[in-house]
Amino acid sequence: QSALTQPASVSGSPGQSITISCTGTSSDVGGYSYVSWYQQHPGKAPKLLIYDVIKRPSGLSNRFSGSKSGNTASLTISGLQAEDEADYFCSSYTFSSTYVFGTGTKVTVL
Amino acid sequence: EVQVVESGGALEQPGGSLRLSCVASGFTFTSYAINWVRQSPGKGLEWVSGISGSGDTTKYADSVKGRFTISRDNSKNIVYLQMDSLGAEDTAVYFCAKDLGYSSGWGIDYWGQGTLVTVSS
Repeated sequence: QSALTQPASVSGSPGQSITISCTGTSSDVGGYSYVSWYQQHPGKAPKLLIYDVIKRPSGLSNRFSGSKSGNTASLTISGLQAEDEADYFCSSYTFSSTYVFGTGTKVTVL
Repeated sequence: EVQVVESGGALEQPGGSLRLSCVASGFTFTSYAINWVRQSPGKGLEWVSGISGSGDTTKYADSVKGRFTISRDNSKNIVYLQMDSLGAEDTAVYFCAKDLGYSSGWGIDYWGQGTLVTVSS
């Protein structure tokens, strides 16, 4: 199972919106509604941001939103803040009942 | 409060074995799958293995199949990862991670802080 493809880096100014893509195949992203997104600050454990493509865990800021079209899922961060600077990973359920993670995207707040 | 706490990481020689443990609390343990996810230094996340709530279904990444074994003791709320025939490519921080569902794949809502496994002579 090959890793899902994400851009290596995305940047934006405070207050702006950015979108991170996550491209897979019909055997993972395109075939199921179990795409999740995680935020990871250096030296820390990942934190769940989005699950089931569009759902947010209770208490999470609505600045984070998810979507999917075909084999590509996307995470949008609106109203970018300094604390959003981190690594972001997507994951998907696969046809073999396992997980596949994305390659990861480093978000820089300019 | 949900908690998952890993232990057992260490420096091990190539070809050696290690057993990682993950103690969970704060939720109905038998209702959720538990996964192991690893991260090599400076790299991305790689799902390693998952076990269903009852323990009757186990899954492995191709990179560890036949070398790693996942198991759980539902009487003690512990999940184990037995790692044999270790190689340098297994060097990573290993995270224990609670699934959103009874079986692996629905998303991971809680992660431990990780335990470092280093394979080197």
